[in-house]
Amino acid sequence: ILNVEQSPQSLHVQEGDSTNFTCSFPSSNFYALHWYRWETAKSPEALFVMTLNGDEKKKGRISATLNTKEGYSYLYIKGSQPEDSATYLCAPSYNTDKLIFGTGTRLQVFP
Amino acid sequence: DAGVIQSPRHEVTEMGQEVTLRCKPISGHDYLFWYRQTMMRGLELLIYFNNNVPIDDSGMPEDRFSAKMPNASFSTLKIQPSEPRDSAVYFCASSLRASGSTDTQYFGPGTRLTVL
Repeated sequence: ILNVEQSPQSLHVQEGDSTNFTCSFPSSNFYALHWYRWETAKSPEALFVMTLNGDEKKKGRISATLNTKEGYSYLYIKGSQPEDSATYLCAPSYNTDKLIFGTGTRLQVFP
Repeated sequence: DAGVIQSPRHEVTEMGQEVTLRCKPISGHDYLFWYRQTMMRGLELLIYFNNNVPIDDSGMPEDRFSAKMPNASFSTLKIQPSEPRDSAVYFCASSLRASGSTDTQYFGPGTRLTVL
């Protein structure tokens, strides 16, 4: 069973704070790393897909980095806003068609 | 495109009853995935199809669960008989190609199942 760990489990920050969280995954046979954003009562939406070691992707105030050799990815949010409140899921894929989802980091941004 | 469509959005049933969840993937997508979300286990893959053929059903919890995809635009997940521990949100997702590539999975709105 592949173990994908995300930390912290939950995070509470003030509006304007910058924050980051971690996704750790087995590096053997790694293919791609997906990040999803999941708002309460909605369905997960894709943020990024990364494949190469050292990859960095950016979407507005959100960015992500990837280290495939050691098996981790960081997600950064600069200047958090209340609308950033959501659960952020990471999901690596290996030499199969499946995504292995972590349990997520639940972010709450207070005004 | 309307995105992935799931029905019903909410289902409340009694233990022992048969439950059928439905999914219409995005047109042209070759892959369809069924997930279950629970507090304890997060988002877990139950089964997925490629071109209407079941590829991996190792996540299906028991023989009470079955899934079919009779054509490219429709899939069902059936639970018979249902039990209270089946209560969860069930998501359907589709992708153009496999997630082993860089293709994104697009999720439906989910079906919230409550088994009393």
